[in-house]
Amino acid sequence: QQQVKQSPQSLIVQKGGIPIINCAYENTAFDYFPWYQQFPGKGPALLIAIRPDVSEKKEGRFTISFNKSAKQFSLHIMDSQPGDSATYFCAASLRQGAQKLVFGQGTRLTINP
Amino acid sequence: DVKVTQSSRYLVKRTGEKVFLECVQDMDHENMFWYRQDPGLGLRLIYFSYDVKMKEKGDIPEGYSVSREKKERFSLILESTSTNQTSMYLCASSLPGQGNTIYFGEGSWLTVV
Repeated sequence: QQQVKQSPQSLIVQKGGIPIINCAYENTAFDYFPWYQQFPGKGPALLIAIRPDVSEKKEGRFTISFNKSAKQFSLHIMDSQPGDSATYFCAASLRQGAQKLVFGQGTRLTINP
Repeated sequence: DVKVTQSSRYLVKRTGEKVFLECVQDMDHENMFWYRQDPGLGLRLIYFSYDVKMKEKGDIPEGYSVSREKKERFSLILESTSTNQTSMYLCASSLPGQGNTIYFGEGSWLTVV
């Protein structure tokens, strides 16, 4: 049972384009939605996160858009660069209890020069 | 800088062998996690620990056990490996409380032949 569904599985964008990665969740009790970035041979690292009381959060070129009624959230990368090429994971967790993150399937992003 | 160190990066084991994967973190974090990463499935939680000698099952604990005798060290044990345990294993740690960053190690690639 996949509680967080992520799409697309892979994405190729030209430099300067705006890749968009989408996630949908089922459990309305989820209360924290982070995005992780993983480069080849490395572990995932926290990129940006949002709580459902806001509809958008921006950090540098990375923006999360959140739609609580649709139970969806997405990552946008402005002015994408070849150095952004990585695998991106969305995740969700409950407010209560331990920080058990439920991850999406991952998106392999390639930014062509 | 938080450091989560997985001592074994690449292992090849025969079916039925026992495997210890060790993880050490240097930031005095209470929480530690073991995830498994597979293409198309994202990261799935195997076990986590919120204190020394405490452990809880994650989503896929079958075939695995863990040990946490010291706060900084969390070991994943595969008592009798099978080919379907070929995967990348990621250790992580964090302070308690939702919203605190979870820090990952660089992963241990296990191949069971």
